[in-house]
This record gives sequence, structure tokens and C-alpha cells, in this order.
Amino acid sequence: RKEVEQDPGPFNVPEGATVAFNCTYSNSASQSFFWYRQDCRKEPKLLMSVYSSGNEDGRFTAQLNRASQYISLLIRDSKLSDSATYLCVVIGDSNYQLIWGAGTKLIIKP
Amino acid sequence: EPEVTQTPSHQVTQMGQEVILRCVPISNHLYFYWYRQILGQKVEFLVSFYNNEISEKSEIFDDQFSVERPDGSNFTLKIRSTKLEDSAMYFCASKGEETQYFGPGTRLLVL
Repeated sequence: RKEVEQDPGPFNVPEGATVAFNCTYSNSASQSFFWYRQDCRKEPKLLMSVYSSGNEDGRFTAQLNRASQYISLLIRDSKLSDSATYLCVVIGDSNYQLIWGAGTKLIIKP
Repeated sequence: EPEVTQTPSHQVTQMGQEVILRCVPISNHLYFYWYRQILGQKVEFLVSFYNNEISEKSEIFDDQFSVERPDGSNFTLKIRSTKLEDSAMYFCASKGEETQYFGPGTRLLVL
């Protein structure tokens, strides 16, 4: 089983719709979780950290389910500019190494 | 806003040549990282660096790779004898307390 798994997509979604991604992780000892966004041929940029209690930042909501070992990202009222690849990232056994999912590609259509 | 910078943005080299990729992390950060991303594939961890030494490295980071922080600001990745399969985007990242911030990357093409 891969350490961090994501549905690669692409998710083709009309502008204004709500879209949700899930990501599963294999190491139950993982402590820190993040969603990054990566535009084509650019560096990953932190979208939000994911906390146990769940957290919201504007149109974006992240949730963590430790029992089932998955995290989710919900995007409401999607914009054309949300089109990107969304990367699920987990800090594994060590404090140093980020473990990356392969990313979910999102395409928002007008 | 402080940012991680990387040079060069693009590098083309012949197989077997040495390349040095340079990074200037955010100034008050203490943890430094190199990642690579082969075109169309996932981001892969190479190495982490803390307190002037390697703290962790992946299987990819073999004897052909080395890192250095020569002058307290630059953080470099050296590939001694490049192979075709080293062609990728190389990202440097630095971390303060929690979050890793990434540089714009160096696109390396080995011919």
C-alpha cells in the first residue's frame, strides 16, 4: 500500500460547484497533514494545514479522520483560478520528511 | 514576504557532467530540504539538512548526490555525474516552525 494515496482525477467541475477530495495515509503514527496546491510546472504552495478539529479558510475546508486515516479538502463556490493539482502531504515517522501524494488534478470549467 | 529562491531556473547538461543547484532559504529558517519531481510524477523527497548536517535522506540520494551550506545562506545540491534519469524539477524548501516553503525550482535536463 502506498504511504499517501489520492485519486489522480482529473475532476472536471463547473464553476461555482462544490468539490471534495480525499486522501488516505498508511502510517497511523503520522502527526501533521497538509494540503498543497501546485500549478503546472510551478512549485507546490501551501494551501492549508489540517488539524484534528478540522479547519476552514474562506471557501476551503480541511478535515482529518484519524480512525479511518484520511484527510479531505472541500472547495465551495469553485473559481476558474482553483484549477490546479492538489497535493496531500503527511509528515511521517520522522520530523523531517514530507511524504507526498501524487496529487489530484482539478479543472474548473466556465 | 520572505521567499526561497533558487538558481538557475533552468540547467541543461551532458550526461556525466557535474551540476550544482543553488538555493537561498528563508533567512531565519533552520531546516532545509531538497525534493525532485520528474515531469508528470509525484514530488519525491531527497534529503533534509539541519544543524549543518544531513538529518535524513531517501534511497534516491545516493553517492552521486551531496549537499552543502557553504556560507550560512546558500544551500546547494551537487550531482557529481549526471544520468539521463536525473532530468527533473528540483525544489528546495526551508522550514521555520511548522511549514515548509518551496522555491520556484530548477528544471534540470540531462542530455
